[in-house]
Amino acid sequence: NAGVTQTPKFQVLKTGQSMTLQCAQDMNHNSMYWYRQDPGMGLRLIYYSASEGTTDKGEVPNGYNVSRLNKREFSLRLESAAPSQTSVYFCASSDGTASNEKLFFGSGTQLSVL
Amino acid sequence: QKEVEQNSGPLSVPEGAIASLNCTYSDRGSQSFFWYRQYSGKSPELIMFIYSNGDKEDGRFTAQLNKASQYVSLLIRDSQPSDSATYLCAVTDKLIFGTGTRLQVFP
Repeated sequence: NAGVTQTPKFQVLKTGQSMTLQCAQDMNHNSMYWYRQDPGMGLRLIYYSASEGTTDKGEVPNGYNVSRLNKREFSLRLESAAPSQTSVYFCASSDGTASNEKLFFGSGTQLSVL
Repeated sequence: QKEVEQNSGPLSVPEGAIASLNCTYSDRGSQSFFWYRQYSGKSPELIMFIYSNGDKEDGRFTAQLNKASQYVSLLIRDSQPSDSATYLCAVTDKLIFGTGTRLQVFP
């Protein structure tokens, strides 16, 4: 089992460029999440998907879109990247029961927007 | 007021000592609390979770929850240099993390 796989691991973009971060899990989890982590800010939830076909906004959704392509895959898209989106992005998944939200994280994507 | 608050540290303890990490939360209705450890440049990994008031022990780790006072803590006994990391408190029914406390264990 690979767990949660994120690609790419590193990316440099110019302001205004677009890109999609890919995430896939092989644990048959229902819920998937995208977080960003900035120094001194901790992990902040961008979007989450409680089940296939559903997505919901988290704390910091502006500037991002997501797609829950199927149960395994949850992608994060930046349509027009801004320097404020420079961050480390983590995808996570969980079994999804209300009192059992143990998150399994991918290895992260370090994104720099110049 | 942040929903989940932690002292950013660093908390420095000598090898073999007890490290005490604290976390407070604002939503009195929160039900589940997790501690994640994150080494520099790595992703967070779950080390403990607690749902009920009181203590929960797992090896050198003890999680303590006091819902009346709205705090959760993590004790690490016999601290080792390999415990040096950032510890994130998460109130996971709200999917909210604290900013983390950096722990440094020196030989």
